[in-house]
Amino acid sequence: KAGVTQTPRYLIKTRGQQVTLSCSPISGHRSVSWYQQTPGQGLQFLFEYFSETQRNKGNFPGRFSGRQFSNSRSEMNVSTLELGDSALYLCASSFWGPQETQYFGPGTRLLVL
Amino acid sequence: AQTVTQSQPEMSVQEAETVTLSCTYDTSESDYYLFWYKQPPSRQMILVIRQEAYKQQNATENRFSVNFQKAAKSFSLKISDSQLGDAAMYFCAYRGNNDMRFGAGTRLTVKP
Repeated sequence: KAGVTQTPRYLIKTRGQQVTLSCSPISGHRSVSWYQQTPGQGLQFLFEYFSETQRNKGNFPGRFSGRQFSNSRSEMNVSTLELGDSALYLCASSFWGPQETQYFGPGTRLLVL
Repeated sequence: AQTVTQSQPEMSVQEAETVTLSCTYDTSESDYYLFWYKQPPSRQMILVIRQEAYKQQNATENRFSVNFQKAAKSFSLKISDSQLGDAAMYFCAYRGNNDMRFGAGTRLTVKP
């Protein structure tokens, strides 16, 4: 069974631009969660989706948004990029939610210049 | 708000020895889940062990076991017979009703 895939793996953007990251969960998984990892703030929860519905959202500004499609694939979007948005963005999938075993993707490394 | 604290930024263990990583958390919820995740240099996060708060029995997965003290809000990870492949960042995580919270991590070095 294929693991969680994230595209792109690396991305360089400039301040003010917007970016869309994609996550394809393991087949059969209906829950997708997103996390931001930075050296300063560590791992922080962004969103949790289940069956196309956002169930929970972390403490991030409205510039961060996401969605989930009917095939459980998920995207997250960051508008008006700031230097502080440079991070590793991790996606994880599970059958029902993060209370179960989550399987993480390799991450997308975003650099904002 | 729930917080997760890992007081040991770095730990070192000799191969084949035992090491314990500490984690404390703060919560007002009664029903929650606790995890230890491992992140090797490749950056791929892997679940090591999972504990449901309502279960008194400590979780065990092969060489990995936890000491879950609910009243003390403590959740430590014991790695027995340490192997070189255990070298990684270890994150303690809490899942309550609304989100996931992670500790700052403990970098474990395994010496041959």
